[in-house]
Formats: sequence, C-alpha cells, structure tokens
Amino acid sequence: AQTVTQSQPEMSVQEAETVTLSCTYDTSESDYYLFWYKQPPSRQMILVIRQEAYKQQNATENRFSVNFQKAAKSFSLKISDSQLGDAAMYFCAYRRRRYGNKLVFGAGTILRVKS
Amino acid sequence: EAQVTQNPRYLITVTGKKLTVTCSQNMNHEYMSWYRQDPGLGLRQIYYSMNVEVTDKGDVPEGYKVSRKEKRNFPLILESPSPNQTSLYFCASSFSPDNPGETQYFGPGTRLLVL
Repeated sequence: AQTVTQSQPEMSVQEAETVTLSCTYDTSESDYYLFWYKQPPSRQMILVIRQEAYKQQNATENRFSVNFQKAAKSFSLKISDSQLGDAAMYFCAYRRRRYGNKLVFGAGTILRVKS
Repeated sequence: EAQVTQNPRYLITVTGKKLTVTCSQNMNHEYMSWYRQDPGLGLRQIYYSMNVEVTDKGDVPEGYKVSRKEKRNFPLILESPSPNQTSLYFCASSFSPDNPGETQYFGPGTRLLVL
C-alpha cells in the first residue's frame, strides 16, 4: 500500500523568509502524481502545486516550488517570501494512475508565519 | 460558478441516529469521493464513485453507505453513527476517474460530532 509521511507536525517561519516542508512517500509504481494542498483555518482544501513523476523538472507556482527526488521518494515544498496568508495546514498527497484510485494523504504540517 | 457543495456544514447528533450528508457538484464530473480528516491521520478515503450507479469502498468504509443515483449527487449515509465517526468530512470530484493528475475539487467540509 502506498504511504505518505510528513515528519514535521509543525513549522514556523518569519514573514518574508523561506521555509521548506518535507514529504516522503512509499510506492512501487512508476506512473503517479504528487500534490501539495493547503488547508487554511476555513478548512477549504486548496491545491498548491502538482508534480508528475515522469517529469524531471521541478514544478513551480509563483512563490511555491518543489524539490522532487524520485529515487529518494522525496517531495518537499519550498515557500519563498512567506506571507501571513501562507499560515495553514499543508498536506502532501500521492495519486497513482489506476482507474478510480484515490488521493493518499500525509498527516499534515501546520505552518505558522510570524510577523 | 464551478463548485462542490456539502450540507450540512456542521452537525451535532447522538449515537444511533441516522444521518445523511449531501454532496453535489455542478461540473458534470464522473468521479466523486468522500474523505474523512482526523488529527494526525490526514485525509482518508471512505467511498468513491466512478459514475452513476458505480460505487466502491475506499480505505475506511465501515459504518458508512453511499449512493450515486444522479451524476451530480453523492450522499454519505451514516445508518447508526458512533462517536468514532466524529470527524471532518470532505466530498471531492473530478471529471475523469483515471487521470491521476487531474484537479480534484473539494467541498467546504462538514464537521460532525457524534455524542
């Protein structure tokens, strides 16, 4: 079974600084996607970024970028120029290419942004 | 506006009293899914549906039922709720059931407390 591990229950960052959230996963598949979701206090699930396993280039979305290390099964999220609005729970998730398959989530990392 | 709606948003009930959480999407999506979110466990899939009248169990289906009589609706039924079903529930949908990179749209969540 696939598993996703987020080893940092909580992280803090100073406003305008950079923070990296860690995620590792376990799979024997070769075709899959990885995602980072943001969950602010409103509890809404917001897709931040996605990475296809076959693409070597790391995905980037504005201030958010990933470091995808396929061999190491690692998928970290870097947030640059942190803003107060980045404070949220962040979930790493995995989804393989299989009919009807699910998103497998990590336990989440709470990110606090200090002003 | 493309969206997934859930009702109710908050519910307090007592053990054994049947309840239904509704989920509706207006995007003509084929794939719909229910997740529950618990502290330290992230989100886990309860049930999913690949199209009308096609449903299957996820990772934690015990104590839940679903139905998919119409494409837009995917209600979650708790026939006899128990305190261990106290959780935050999310409905999600996407157009295709076998494209792992496709964006899944999440509802706003339903906070359930079973006394």
